[in-house]
Amino acid sequence: QMTQSPSTLSASVGDRVTITCRASRSINNWLAWYQQKPGSAPKLLIYGASHLQSGVPLRFSGSGSGTEYTLTISSLQPDDFATYYCQQYNDPLTFGGGTKVEIK
Amino acid sequence: QLQLHESGPGLVKPSETLSLTCSVSGDSISRTNYYWGWIRQPPGKGLEWLGSIMYSGYTYDNPSLKSRVTISVDTAKNQISLRLKYVTAADTAVYYCVRPRERGARATSFDYWGQGSLVTVSS
Repeated sequence: QMTQSPSTLSASVGDRVTITCRASRSINNWLAWYQQKPGSAPKLLIYGASHLQSGVPLRFSGSGSGTEYTLTISSLQPDDFATYYCQQYNDPLTFGGGTKVEIK
Repeated sequence: QLQLHESGPGLVKPSETLSLTCSVSGDSISRTNYYWGWIRQPPGKGLEWLGSIMYSGYTYDNPSLKSRVTISVDTAKNQISLRLKYVTAADTAVYYCVRPRERGARATSFDYWGQGSLVTVSS
């Protein structure tokens, strides 16, 4: 079970944004983050809690351990307004409920 | 360039079986060691992993759906398939075919996704 917060986040371009996922038990950094825009499939951003997927901008970063993990966008860009999901892969595979990042 | 393409009926009646096929191009299911999978997303809601399969036919199942889900592979056609029995309105969703980031790992993240196929359950 993955609890993601907040469910909605209002922010402005240039803001630092943090999204949190909490697991019901330790998942040993087996955590990924995805970005999804309306009408499109999710896109992998981060795997292994902190490893940036190839081609993903450096303003995205992941951290955490045990049961608590965060996705940080250091300076929000217009292209970053989207919904973000965490996924744990410590068996079975489950996703958080999503965080919609909207324009303030 | 790897591409995944889902296909199948867009409308299924309640209590019937949903069937989808994922055609893989740009990679060979039988020559790679990936657990190809299915993930779904009800309209306006979150993501749910349904299960995964390797070219050998070995599956990795979601315990909560195992009794209704069958995933199969056709290496000759380079396709994987999904069957979901006894559907209800709650099974209305976009169904995605996915490839994991890691070879040989059944529990991993997913770096390739199809465009998705909307299936509506309605009489």
